[in-house]
Amino acid sequence: DGGITQSPKYLFRKEGQNVTLSCEQNLNHDAMYWYRQDPGQGLRLIYYSQIVNDFQKGDIAEGYSVSREKKESFPLTVTSAQKNPTAFYLCASSSSGVTGYTFGSGTRLTVV
Amino acid sequence: QQPVQSPQAVILREGEDAVINCSSSKALYSVHWYRQKHGEAPVFLMILLKGGEQKGHEKISASFNEKKQQSSLYLTASQLSYSGTYFCGTEIPNDYKLSFGAGTTVTVRA
Repeated sequence: DGGITQSPKYLFRKEGQNVTLSCEQNLNHDAMYWYRQDPGQGLRLIYYSQIVNDFQKGDIAEGYSVSREKKESFPLTVTSAQKNPTAFYLCASSSSGVTGYTFGSGTRLTVV
Repeated sequence: QQPVQSPQAVILREGEDAVINCSSSKALYSVHWYRQKHGEAPVFLMILLKGGEQKGHEKISASFNEKKQQSSLYLTASQLSYSGTYFCGTEIPNDYKLSFGAGTTVTVRA
């Protein structure tokens, strides 16, 4: 079955360490997105990519970095520069044209 | 800029109806609606493109008033399975990304 896979589901890191969240899709979707969700809040866009080897900053890109070397993969690195990294991170993808997003099951990151 | 959703929360008994509103200060190209169960990923419900367009998913429908940049989601004859948080996502022309509202938590009780 086609879908979008995020790993790991839960991640614990010490303050000051960089951490990379994985996002893989086998839907042949062109576009991929990273959103952050905090309790009681909506989804805020971190980065997005419309095609391979190209990506754009979203509303809250500071302290994060991404790469898009393959169509299927869009990893997100949370760097030590991110002041408050503890959150639920959601990856999504969509095909070209007018379609809805498919979301992964998310990664819950806790920084202690 | 994120769209504004209202109300923040609503509690229903099975069979009751509810309306969730989503408004934007910018001209919109499309409006998406998603439902998220606790601890799970958001699930796509529907997308609206044209002014006055209505769509349906089960007994859930939506409208989009292009002139007012507003969309409404209608939960009709609610079922227990309708419980969750509903998000609208808005896209402005040539922007190719969604901005999401803060969500509306719907609780349906037996």
